[in-house]
Amino acid sequence: AQSVTQLDSQVPVFEEAPVELRCNYSSSVSVYLFWYVQYPNQGLQLLLKYLSGSTLVKGINGFEAEFNKSQTSFHLRKPSVHISDTAEYFCAVSRLRNKLSFGAGTTVTVRA
Amino acid sequence: GAVVSQHPSRVICKSGTSVKIECRSLDFQATTMFWYRQFPKQSLMLMATSNEGSKATYEQGVEKDKFLINHASLTLSTLTVTSAHPEDSSFYICSASWGNGNQPQHFGDGTRLSIL
Repeated sequence: AQSVTQLDSQVPVFEEAPVELRCNYSSSVSVYLFWYVQYPNQGLQLLLKYLSGSTLVKGINGFEAEFNKSQTSFHLRKPSVHISDTAEYFCAVSRLRNKLSFGAGTTVTVRA
Repeated sequence: GAVVSQHPSRVICKSGTSVKIECRSLDFQATTMFWYRQFPKQSLMLMATSNEGSKATYEQGVEKDKFLINHASLTLSTLTVTSAHPEDSSFYICSASWGNGNQPQHFGDGTRLSIL
């Protein structure tokens, strides 16, 4: 079985500052890794995914994440955030049959 | 591409009634659909996984007679909350995907269910 730990439940950040959201996973086998964003009262939108290949993954809205196998991490970063990036962010892993295990989520609040 | 439509977005009904929520993949064929429940300020809890034409697989602790799932076609799955009670009030989200593990899930916008 796999589990996901998002190390920060809340991350306040000023507009145009960088942000990093930390995600660690535990699994005895290779997994696929995802970051999703959820805006209030909406479903989840895929930001980016790691399946194989380059460990640095670029996603939508200027986000990127780096897969680190030795540290079993998949941290999400953005060099300069906007007010519109205020949302809930979920890290997730899957192995077989597309079944996802989600982290508890990180609330990002961007302030002017 | 990969759009999932969920309907209705919000429903309010009396205790004891049954409520049906639809989940449609609009531009792809979903071999697998998932139903989640999300409590306020919490992560998504997987309720069940459904594959087209076969019975849904429910997660431990989820009552299959309470939450009926039908996946009759490659583009439609429904969740029916039977004899709903106030404790069933929640945000329900569906997702759909194809393939066997390396395809991401695409999510609907969720249904806010309120039982009075």
